[in-house]
Amino acid sequence: GDSVTQMEGPVTLSEEAFLTINCTYTATGYPSLFWYVQYPGEGLQLLLKATKADDKGSNKGFEATYRKETTSFHLEKGSVQVSDSAVYFCALGTDSWGKLQFGAGTQVVVTP
Amino acid sequence: NAGVTQTPKFQVLKTGQSMTLQCAQDMNHEYMSWYRQDPGMGLRLIHYSVGAGITDQGEVPNGYNVSRSTTEDFPLRLLSAAPSQTSVYFCASSLKGAYNEQFFGPGTRLTVL
Repeated sequence: GDSVTQMEGPVTLSEEAFLTINCTYTATGYPSLFWYVQYPGEGLQLLLKATKADDKGSNKGFEATYRKETTSFHLEKGSVQVSDSAVYFCALGTDSWGKLQFGAGTQVVVTP
Repeated sequence: NAGVTQTPKFQVLKTGQSMTLQCAQDMNHEYMSWYRQDPGMGLRLIHYSVGAGITDQGEVPNGYNVSRSTTEDFPLRLLSAAPSQTSVYFCASSLKGAYNEQFFGPGTRLTVL
């Protein structure tokens, strides 16, 4: 079945450091790929997405490229801020209605 | 435009009690779903609906019921609460399609004693 694997956290960084969160997937067909972010005490919100191979999603300084050959969708940000402290979820969608399969989530803690 | 709303925000139940978690959206979305979030397990799909009168099971449906009588509302019923149902519950909605953004409610934190 479809599945998403992302790196375990917590990931602790200093402000202005480079962030990478690895995400790989297993899916039949041609999934859409998403990164959602959950700030403390809140629901999830979409950070970025890519709907086909080689697409790059970007938002708020974060980027991820849909790599079909390596079945990956790694999240990157060049210079993190304390406000980026959150839990990040990689997800894939293959269902025509919109069902999502989520990874376990990676907590990121950015210290001043 | 309120988006996706959930009530209550917190709830404590005793084993065996029943309750309904409410979810509503005002974006005219066809697709609605319920997830539970447990530490280290991400979000797991409980039930989903593709329109009024149409629901189906997700990954972890046991112990939960849903119905969808209107486009806007998608309540989740716990029939006989168990400690294993202690979790944070999220409702989400979206337009139909694998590439569409899902909008999440703020969540309900449920504790079953």
